[in-house]
This record gives sequence, structure tokens and C-alpha cells, in this order.
Amino acid sequence: EVQLVQSGAEVKKPGESLKISCKGSGYSFTSYWIGWVRQMPGKGLEWMGIIYPGDSDTRYSPSFQGQVTISADKSISTAYLQWSSLKASDTAMYYCARHVQRYCSGGSCYLAGYWFDPWGQGTLVTVSS
Amino acid sequence: EIVMTQSPATLSVSPGERATLSCRASQSVSSNLAWYQQKPGQAPRLLIYGASTRATGIPARFSGSGSGTEFTLTISSLQSEDFAVYYCQQYNNWLSLTFGGGTKVEIK
Repeated sequence: EVQLVQSGAEVKKPGESLKISCKGSGYSFTSYWIGWVRQMPGKGLEWMGIIYPGDSDTRYSPSFQGQVTISADKSISTAYLQWSSLKASDTAMYYCARHVQRYCSGGSCYLAGYWFDPWGQGTLVTVSS
Repeated sequence: EIVMTQSPATLSVSPGERATLSCRASQSVSSNLAWYQQKPGQAPRLLIYGASTRATGIPARFSGSGSGTEFTLTISSLQSEDFAVYYCQQYNNWLSLTFGGGTKVEIK
């Protein structure tokens, strides 16, 4: 079974740092991009960025560029989302999800499946003084 | 950035009735559109990709249609477990993904 399991809820103070995780299992972790999505309380879904664990190629939404850092450790099939200085406005649920597959055939490489499936269970981050 | 607009914001439907949800893109996204279902306290779940292909395990009462800028998600006969929020997402530019604001399907 393909699964993404995220780290537990966090309560932090403004200005603190934080790193949350997303561990993949049941598939080749280095063959799929992983995406991060924010959902603020009572609001919709916002795409934050993606990472390809195979070579750590990372792309950010302009709205989140410079605000967060996405990374991955392929040796333990885990992706990360981190903040160096949290703000109250970072309070939200954060989801990781499996994204685009990269596969190679006949000497060429291709991308397939630009949707998110499956999703992790979410990590609630609360930032409050 | 492609803006995705969903309507209505809230849809009140009786169990067994048909529900029709709309999603409009600010520019053509071809058939590069997905639909997700999110129940309270749960992560989103993929329903439809490629505008009309059901994801694995999704019941046949869910169907998607459209291309270009106009898309529709239809639930043919609402079951109790279908009351949720539904989001569309375009991936025409996969490095600039955007979601619609969501449609809440509630019990009438």
C-alpha cells in the first residue's frame, strides 16, 4: 500500500524554528516528486512547492519562496518542510502528497501523473505566543 | 497564475439527488484538471484526473467532464458519505499548480 505518514502536531511560539516530516512507503520514493500543500483554518488548499527526492530538485510557489524550505533524505524516504522563524500566520494544516512520477525508458526520461495521490494525514502547526 | 473559480460555494442537496459542481479556469488548461474530496478532519482524496478519469476505487456515481476552461463534477445520486468539500486543481503548468476555492456539499 502506498502511504505517506507525517509527523505529529506542533505548537510553537513566534520566531521559533520548525521542521516537519513526511515518510513515504510502498513505492519507489526516488521516482516521484512530493508536494506540500497548506490549508489555513477554515480555508482552501494552497500549493507550496515540490521536491524530487532522487536529486533534491526543488520548486516553490512564488507565494512561499523564501518563506519555507523543502528538503528530502532519500536514504530514509522522507521529505521535510521547515521554517526558520515562524509567524502566527503560519498556523495551518500542512499536507504532503505524492506528485509527478519520473520514469526512464529507452534512454529518455518522462514525467507522468501531475495530480496529488495519495496524501499524508496532515500536520497541524499552531504558532501562538 | 491560472485562477480556478468554483461554484457554487455551497450546494444543498438531499440524499439520492444529483449534484453538479462547476469549476472554471481563467485560461485554458486543456484536460489537465483534477478533483478532490475532503471530509471534515481528513486529508483530501483524489477523485478524478484528466478531467474525466476516475481514480482507483472511486465509485461510478462520480463523473467529471469538460475541457479548456469549463469543468463539471457530477455526483449522480448522493450518498451520506458524499457530503464533503470538493476542490478542483489545474496542472496545465505543473510548476504553478492552483486549486479552486472549494464547493461544500451539504445535506438539504
